[in-house]
Amino acid sequence: EPEVTQTPSHQVTQMGQEVILRCVPISNHLYFYWYRQILGQKVEFLVSFYNNEISEKSEIFDDQFSVERPDGSNFTLKIRSTKLEDSAMYFCASSEEGLRQETQYFGPGTRLLVL
Amino acid sequence: RKEVEQDPGPFNVPEGATVAFNCTYSNSASQSFFWYRQDCRKEPKLLMSVYSSGNEDGRFTAQLNRASQYISLLIRDSKLSDSATYLCVVNGAGGSYIPTFGRGTSLIVHP
Repeated sequence: EPEVTQTPSHQVTQMGQEVILRCVPISNHLYFYWYRQILGQKVEFLVSFYNNEISEKSEIFDDQFSVERPDGSNFTLKIRSTKLEDSAMYFCASSEEGLRQETQYFGPGTRLLVL
Repeated sequence: RKEVEQDPGPFNVPEGATVAFNCTYSNSASQSFFWYRQDCRKEPKLLMSVYSSGNEDGRFTAQLNRASQYISLLIRDSKLSDSATYLCVVNGAGGSYIPTFGRGTSLIVHP
């Protein structure tokens, strides 16, 4: 069964450093998403991406964040200057159809710890 | 009022029991509804979509009540492996198509 993969599984970084989280969505999917889940809290939508551009973003997704699909398979989330409160699990997801329909398939997540 | 609300539980039930969770949402224009399951420190996995007519998948039944703005999940004949957190997800709860997750309801099924 095809699945979404994410690397790295864990990342520790110093406050102020840039991090890039990587995702490989399911190959025939066209819509890509990033979510985060702070420990003990709910899953929060960050951004959706379709046709090489952002289609929706939440208030959390400020100028510190950016997404990119640098090639035909990878989908990345960059945090420019990490803050302590960016520590969370970051999930990538993909779907064949957009937010109106979904079934979204989530990757296993990257646990980011900012020190 | 929170956009999507769930009773955090935990619901502690014996194997074989029937258990039901509710989830309320605040935006009457919400578009679509889902139940996800999340195991500890794992990713959410779609359990089922929730349709106006209700839908059933084996031991799981989901219902949508638009008038009262809630969705429900019923689990019959609980198994130990059903122990997890069940997340209610509503698209359009905040007025756009952005999915809003509830905080989840924890279920513990014991022998």
